[in-house]
Amino acid sequence: EAQVTQNPRYLITVTGKKLTVTCSQNMNHEYMSWYRQDPGLGLRQIYYSMNVEVTDKGDVPEGYKVSRKEKRNFPLILESPSPNQTSLYFCASSLAAGGSLGDTQYFGPGTRLTVL
Amino acid sequence: KQEVTQIPAALSVPEGENLVLNCSFTDSAIYNLQWFRQDPGKGLTSLLLIQSSQREQTSGRLNASLDKSSGRSTLYIAASQPGDSATYLCAVRYAQAGTALIFGKGTTLSVSS
Repeated sequence: EAQVTQNPRYLITVTGKKLTVTCSQNMNHEYMSWYRQDPGLGLRQIYYSMNVEVTDKGDVPEGYKVSRKEKRNFPLILESPSPNQTSLYFCASSLAAGGSLGDTQYFGPGTRLTVL
Repeated sequence: KQEVTQIPAALSVPEGENLVLNCSFTDSAIYNLQWFRQDPGKGLTSLLLIQSSQREQTSGRLNASLDKSSGRSTLYIAASQPGDSATYLCAVRYAQAGTALIFGKGTTLSVSS
């Protein structure tokens, strides 16, 4: 089954404790990205990757890191989480990001993160 | 600033009604527009993607239209069912906004039986 998976689905942590949220897709997609969803603010892009070893900042990158060492995986790293990073996080992927039908974005199930 | 607005924020209808959800965007220079469905506690499911060169897309009981000149898109749901209850999100890929999808805040639909 074609899908985007995220782990963990739920996480409660404390300020400053480094964490990684994994994202994996099995569709051989080139483009992957991370979004956060907050009440009243909607979804906003954190980082994206056009392909292996190619990553760039989205609209709200502060406090986050990413890496793309393999095509299928795109982990999100919070080196020193703070309470304002409490949010619902989504990973997404698409075949391409070139303005074609390959742009259809497929989203993972989400990771609900609480930072105390 | 490139934004996406969805009106209404919430909508309640009885089963069987046809309904229209609205999405407006601020810049006609777009690559595409995508409609998603989000169920509580779940991820986003892509419903329809309309390229900038297209006027509409259809999938089953869903029909999405695009009018770039007026900055509007509509999602038409025919013969609504309780299973259609969800939040519907409109997202635009602006030509000048990199690769990010710019999302509206959604319309929460409730269909009663």
